[in-house]
Amino acid sequence: AQSVTQLGSHVSVSEGALVLLRCNYSSSVPPYLFWYVQYPNQGLQLLLKYTSAATLVKGINGFEAEFKKSETSFHLTKPSAHMSDAAEYFCAVTLTGTYKYIFGTGTRLKVLA
Amino acid sequence: ETGVTQSPTHLIKTRGQQVTLRCSSQSGHNTVSWYQQALGQGPQFIFQYYREEENGRGNFPPRFSGLQFPNYSSELNVNALELDDSALYLCASSLRLGEAGELFFGEGSRLTVL
Repeated sequence: AQSVTQLGSHVSVSEGALVLLRCNYSSSVPPYLFWYVQYPNQGLQLLLKYTSAATLVKGINGFEAEFKKSETSFHLTKPSAHMSDAAEYFCAVTLTGTYKYIFGTGTRLKVLA
Repeated sequence: ETGVTQSPTHLIKTRGQQVTLRCSSQSGHNTVSWYQQALGQGPQFIFQYYREEENGRGNFPPRFSGLQFPNYSSELNVNALELDDSALYLCASSLRLGEAGELFFGEGSRLTVL
C-alpha cells in the first residue's frame, strides 16, 4: 500500500530564504507523486507532479521537487520565499490505474518579513 | 473553461440529520472524487464516480453515499450525521479514469455538525 509522510507540520522561513518542505513516500511499485497547495478557505491547487519522466520537476510559482528513489523522497523547494507562499502544502501519491490519491497530513508554511 | 464548483460553501447541521453536498465538475471531466478534510489533516478519499457508477471507495461507512449524473455532476450524501463528520468536503474532477493526472479541486463545502 502507498503512503506519504510529511516531516514538520509547521515550517517558518524568512522572506527571501530557501523553502524546503519534506515528503517521503512508501510504495511497492513506482508511484506518481504530487505537491498541492491550499490557501485559506480554498481548495487544493496543483504545484507540480512527478510521473516517471524527469526526476527534477519544475512547477508553478518557482517551486520544484526532486524524485529520489534511493531515499524514497520527493521534497519541495523554492530558492527564495515570498510572502504570498504562506499556505498549507500537501504531498500526495497515487498509482496509475488506481482510483485514489493518498495525501500527507500537510505542512503549514509561514513566511516572516 | 469552468472550474469545479461546490455548493453550499458552509452549512450547519445537528447530529442525526442528513446532508447533501453538490459538485459540478470541470468541463470535459468524466471522473469525480470526494475527499473529507478534517481540521489540521490532509484530505481523505471517500469515493470516486465514473460514468455514473462508484468506481472505488475509501474507509468510510455506508452512510456516506453518492451519485453522479449524466452531465458528470455529483452529490455526496451523508446520513445520520455524527460530530466527527464536521470537516471540509472537497470534490475533485479529473480527465480520465485510471490515469495519474491532476485532480482539479473545488473550494469545498464546510460542514459543521453540532
